[in-house]
Amino acid sequence: AQKITQTQPGMFVQEKEAVTLDCTYDTSDPSYGLFWYKQPSSGEMIFLIYQGSYDQQNATEGRYSLNFQKARKSANLVISASQLGDSAMYFCAMQPLARVTTLRNSGGSNYKLTFGKGTLLTVNP
Amino acid sequence: EAGVTQFPSHSVIEKGQTVTLRCDPISGHDNLYWYRRVMGKEIKFLLHFVKESKQDESGMPNNRFLAERTGGTYSTLKVQPAELEDSGVYFCASSHTGAPSGEQYFGPGTRLTVT
Repeated sequence: AQKITQTQPGMFVQEKEAVTLDCTYDTSDPSYGLFWYKQPSSGEMIFLIYQGSYDQQNATEGRYSLNFQKARKSANLVISASQLGDSAMYFCAMQPLARVTTLRNSGGSNYKLTFGKGTLLTVNP
Repeated sequence: EAGVTQFPSHSVIEKGQTVTLRCDPISGHDNLYWYRRVMGKEIKFLLHFVKESKQDESGMPNNRFLAERTGGTYSTLKVQPAELEDSGVYFCASSHTGAPSGEQYFGPGTRLTVT
């Protein structure tokens, strides 16, 4: 079983400052992927960044970076130079990984996402 | 490229009625997922289709929920009869088999309110 914990129900940050959103996980899968999604007030889920457990380097996508510490089982999202449009709900999620060829023989899904409860980020002007 | 679409965006029904939610995945995506977020709780996995086959339906709450995926294209999720606890936002997502990251593209969700 997989579990994602986001301990910050809400976070506030000043515009142009950096902010870190915490995410810790627990899994028995040897390989897994970690994701961050953004959900603005309009409701859609927007993919931000992905980190594979086997990746040697931390993932970065523009102003987003993922601080992956495998030994601590943490995958914190860092947003640099916050903008007002960054105000949204942020979800951390994980997914077990399996070779595509074994998917149908696995007896279960290897691709479902397990989500945390989310962190509501508010960027103040 | 069109994204994942869901219909309706919002549905309000009375307890005991039937509702059918629809999801159109991104063209060419074999994998289609349904998730649900009940107010204040985590987004929970419901089920996973690979083309027209149910790969994993371990997250389906009970037999009042029926999901289908006709011809491996769009999918429907029927709730019959609806109960108050079924209220929430139902998300559909799709992904391409073999994509390195398994990234799932989400639709805008259907907000279901059962009164």
